[in-house]
Amino acid sequence: EPEVTQTPSHQVTQMGQEVILRCVPISNHLYFYWYRQILGQKVEFLVSFYNNEISEKSEIFDDQFSVERPDGSNFTLKIRSTKLEDSAMYFCASTEGGPSYNEQFFGPGTRLTVL
Amino acid sequence: AQTVTQSQPEMSVQEAETVTLSCTYDTSESDYYLFWYKQPPSRQMILVIRQEAYKQQNATENRFSVNFQKAAKSFSLKISDSQLGDAAMYFCAYAANFGNEKLTFGTGTRLTIIP
Repeated sequence: EPEVTQTPSHQVTQMGQEVILRCVPISNHLYFYWYRQILGQKVEFLVSFYNNEISEKSEIFDDQFSVERPDGSNFTLKIRSTKLEDSAMYFCASTEGGPSYNEQFFGPGTRLTVL
Repeated sequence: AQTVTQSQPEMSVQEAETVTLSCTYDTSESDYYLFWYKQPPSRQMILVIRQEAYKQQNATENRFSVNFQKAAKSFSLKISDSQLGDAAMYFCAYAANFGNEKLTFGTGTRLTIIP
């Protein structure tokens, strides 16, 4: 069964460093998302991406964040200068898309720890 | 803006018994989907059940069923014959019925199964 994959599973970085979180969505999916979950809190939407551009972004998704689909398979989230409060679990999701809602399939997540 | 509220931070149930997790939501949309996601200690997001707002019949998936009250904007999850493997965080989520709409999550309910 196709699945969304994410690498790395755990990333430790120093405050101020740049990190890139990688996702491989399901191959025929067209819409991609990043969500964030700070430990013990709810899952929050960061950004959605379609046709090589951002469809929607939340207030959390400030200028420190960027997303890219560098090739036909990867979907990346870059945090330019990490802060302590960026420590969280980051989930990638993808869906086929269409005129009505289609299920979003989640990856296993990347745990980001900022020291 | 849509909001999802889960008022029970923690619940516990005896193995083999039935438990109900509560969720309320607020939206101005008439066409939307509601979901329950399970997050075990691995932190993977697993879709348990979904309900289309236009359907009056409550969704069921084996031991999992929902009580969807559209007028009251209530969406509870019932787990019958609870098993040890049901122990997890459960998140209620909402998405408007557009092709690539984001998910909005509640704060979660931690379910403990007592052997």
